[in-house]
Amino acid sequence: QSALTQPPSASGSPGQSVTISCTGTSNDIGRFDYVSWYQQHPGEVPKLMIYQVSERPSGVPDRFSGSKSGNTASLTVSGLQAEDEADYYCSSYAGSNTWEVFGGGTKLTVL
Amino acid sequence: QVQLQESGPGLVKPSQTLSLTCTVSGGSISSGGYYWSWIRQHPGKGLEWIGYIYNNGRTYYNPSLMSRITMSVDTSQNQFSLKLSSVTAADTAVYFCARRDSSSGSLFDYWGQGTLVTVSS
Repeated sequence: QSALTQPPSASGSPGQSVTISCTGTSNDIGRFDYVSWYQQHPGEVPKLMIYQVSERPSGVPDRFSGSKSGNTASLTVSGLQAEDEADYYCSSYAGSNTWEVFGGGTKLTVL
Repeated sequence: QVQLQESGPGLVKPSQTLSLTCTVSGGSISSGGYYWSWIRQHPGKGLEWIGYIYNNGRTYYNPSLMSRITMSVDTSQNQFSLKLSSVTAADTAVYFCARRDSSSGSLFDYWGQGTLVTVSS
């Protein structure tokens, strides 16, 4: 069982927006603004999409955005495109002893 | 451009020790602010953080695996390594090495291609 809880699946039609949640605790997401999101296409390496809750690395489309409220972080993909279909994982820094935790992943389907 | 490459046996027998090495190119493992990490993914499952090591050798391990993990770093070879002892079939997974950048919080920005390790007799 993963430390962070994500819905197993999400879906949307091209052009729509979809939001994926990631729920942790007051010891990880609730305590640190160090939430990251990774995109993984089948057979490929995870790719960093969002870091520090809402920051985008260069090259990541601004259709991807992140936010946090309390112990829950969210990834929103706007203007869905076929290539956005992938698995998405959240992670958070969790401080001493636990250090890093991942979510179980959400499979995003573009209908 | 930083690149990471995992190497090691793809098949390990139960109860033995899994040993992997990650070779870093395009950047120095001695650079400050980076933690050199291992992450695994069981077949068809999610990501699991195993641990990371700083260039001075200080280690940080997943509490659930801590008793079986040893990580080391060789700055002269620009490599870091993972040993996981007493493996079982539950340790069968794709093992990724990755760079954790702590200068912008905590993020894994560069990843190796991953190597599948199967535990089987």
